Amino acid sequence: QVQLQESGPGLVKPSETLSLTCAVSGYSITSDDRYFWGWIRQSPGKGLEWIGIIHHTGTTYYNSPLKSRVTISVDTSQNQFSLRVTSVTAADTAVYYCARASCSGGGTCYLDQWGQGILVTVSS
Amino acid sequence: QSVLTQPPSVSGTPGQRVTISCTGSSSNIGAGYVVHWYQQLPGRAPKLLIYGNSNRPSGVPDRISGSKSGTSASLAITGLQAEDEADYYCQSYDSSLSGYVFGTGTKVTVL
Repeated sequence: QVQLQESGPGLVKPSETLSLTCAVSGYSITSDDRYFWGWIRQSPGKGLEWIGIIHHTGTTYYNSPLKSRVTISVDTSQNQFSLRVTSVTAADTAVYYCARASCSGGGTCYLDQWGQGILVTVSS
Repeated sequence: QSVLTQPPSVSGTPGQRVTISCTGSSSNIGAGYVVHWYQQLPGRAPKLLIYGNSNRPSGVPDRISGSKSGTSASLAITGLQAEDEADYYCQSYDSSLSGYVFGTGTKVTVL
């Protein structure tokens, strides 16, 4: 059974870089080409926001609003992937989820496995 | 503000049927992009409920169903139970935004 676990600092200072890692267990992220690996966030009391997804080959798709500040990378040797968000502000305070995206063509992806989420607070 | 609009809240008594709408436009649902649904219990991560408009993953009861028509999609829960009290989100792709989007979310309350 695939499991995803987020890790990283729970507190980041404004203007600094938020860095999170998602460790995948029980499944090799290179096993199946239909799967991408992604990040989603949820501000306190708000709805879900799709950040972006990455394939084990390195192909990435970012959603526009955060695109200029976000980098998603993959480490197949460690079976994990990561998120970096630069120049953070209080508006980036959120629970960040990593998830597995099942995709069967352009615009078809859905998130079938999720991590438990990690709260990241941006504050000095 | 999301391009997929859901009612903020829906309520029902145990055993009733409730439906949640997800209204989009010609650049997402109306363009033929598939709709998926997630359930988020309080304090928990979201869980996939419906994929590809109407398909249930293993373990999701058949009293949960999804449909799509035109620029909208719907999630129906029949035989409402206390355990169904949660937030529900639709998700699709928007060609104008060139990205995946979630609906605004609907809180289901069991009275």
